[in-house]
Amino acid sequence: EAQVTQNPRYLITVTGKKLTVTCSQNMNHEYMSWYRQDPGLGLRQIYYSMNVEVTDKGDVPEGYKVSRKEKRNFPLILESPSPNQTSLYFCASRDQRNTGELFFGEGSRLTVL
Amino acid sequence: EDQVTQSPEALRLQEGESSSLNCSYTVSGLRGLFWYRQDPGKGPEFLFTLYSAGEEKEKERLKATLTKKESFLHITAPKPEDSATYLCAVRIQGAQKLVFGQGTRLTINP
Repeated sequence: EAQVTQNPRYLITVTGKKLTVTCSQNMNHEYMSWYRQDPGLGLRQIYYSMNVEVTDKGDVPEGYKVSRKEKRNFPLILESPSPNQTSLYFCASRDQRNTGELFFGEGSRLTVL
Repeated sequence: EDQVTQSPEALRLQEGESSSLNCSYTVSGLRGLFWYRQDPGKGPEFLFTLYSAGEEKEKERLKATLTKKESFLHITAPKPEDSATYLCAVRIQGAQKLVFGQGTRLTINP
């Protein structure tokens, strides 16, 4: 089954404690991206990757890091989380040729105390 | 600034009562408009892509249309299982992202 898998699905942490949200896709997609979803603000792009070792900032990259060492994985790293990073995070992927049909993961709800 | 605005924020209908959701956009160069459906606790699920004014796409009870300034998602004779948040997004020329609207939360009562 084609899917994007995120872990953890739920996490409560404290300010400053580094964490990683993993994302893996099994569709051999070149493009992967992270979004955060906040009430009243909709989905906003954090980072994206066009292929292995190619990453770039989205609209709200501050406080986040990513890496793309393998085609299937695109982890999101919060080096020193702060309360304003409390949000619902989605990883998404798509085929390089397709401009908008994103496949989304189930989401990771993060709370930073 | 590129912007996508959806209305209404929430819509409650009776089963079988047809209606339309609106997505208006102001962007520098449209490379496609996309509709997604999002169920509670899930990620958005792709529905339609529209590329040019006058284009229409249909899927079951849903029909999406596009003009130069806005898109409509028409829902005909909806059922309770059509209850979800519907998201509109645009792809802008030269950008590797989708700009999303805030969504319309649709509830269909039996």
